[in-house]
Amino acid sequence: RKEVEQDPGPFNVPEGATVAFNCTYSNSASQSFFWYRQDCRKEPKLLMSVYSSGNEDGRFTAQLNRASQYISLLIRDSKLSDSATYLCVVNVLGGTSYGKLTFGQGTILTVHP
Amino acid sequence: NAGVTQTPKFQVLKTGQSMTLQCAQDMNHEYMSWYRQDPGMGLRLIHYSVGAGITDQGEVPNGYNVSRSTTEDFPLRLLSAAPSQTSVYFCASSYLSAGRDTQYFGPGTRLTVL
Repeated sequence: RKEVEQDPGPFNVPEGATVAFNCTYSNSASQSFFWYRQDCRKEPKLLMSVYSSGNEDGRFTAQLNRASQYISLLIRDSKLSDSATYLCVVNVLGGTSYGKLTFGQGTILTVHP
Repeated sequence: NAGVTQTPKFQVLKTGQSMTLQCAQDMNHEYMSWYRQDPGMGLRLIHYSVGAGITDQGEVPNGYNVSRSTTEDFPLRLLSAAPSQTSVYFCASSYLSAGRDTQYFGPGTRLTVL
């Protein structure tokens, strides 16, 4: 079983749609969670951190369920510019685990006019 | 700040050749990492470092060496290139803030081994 699993998609949605991505992780010692965004042939860039209480940044909402080891990302009012691959990322903190992120394989989103 | 820089951007090698992928950061970050990204596989950790003089293996270290003589630089060496090492290589750096380790990536090196 992969440490971090995502539905690879692709998700094809019209502008203005709401889309949700899910992610599960297997290591219960994971303490730090993120969503990264990666545009075609570019480097991953941090979209948002995910906190236990859930957090929102504009049109983006992230949720964490530690009991189910499940992370989600909701995008509301999708824009063409949201088209990208979304990467779920976890980190086990402490000791020599810093600098050592585990990535899901990514979910591809295409927003069309 | 330039952030994380990587050279070269593109490289073609023949099987058996060796080379070094360069990575530098000017943010004084403690932690640096190397990942490779292959289609359908996501990013996989090759080696990482928690400070100058300290390195450790990640998920896929075979065929690669690293060293960290300074905080700024973290080169990745391919000892004897193989076609299986054809990939996109990303270097990242990070530091702890509010208990979180947020990584910043370089633009990547696209390597083809023939």
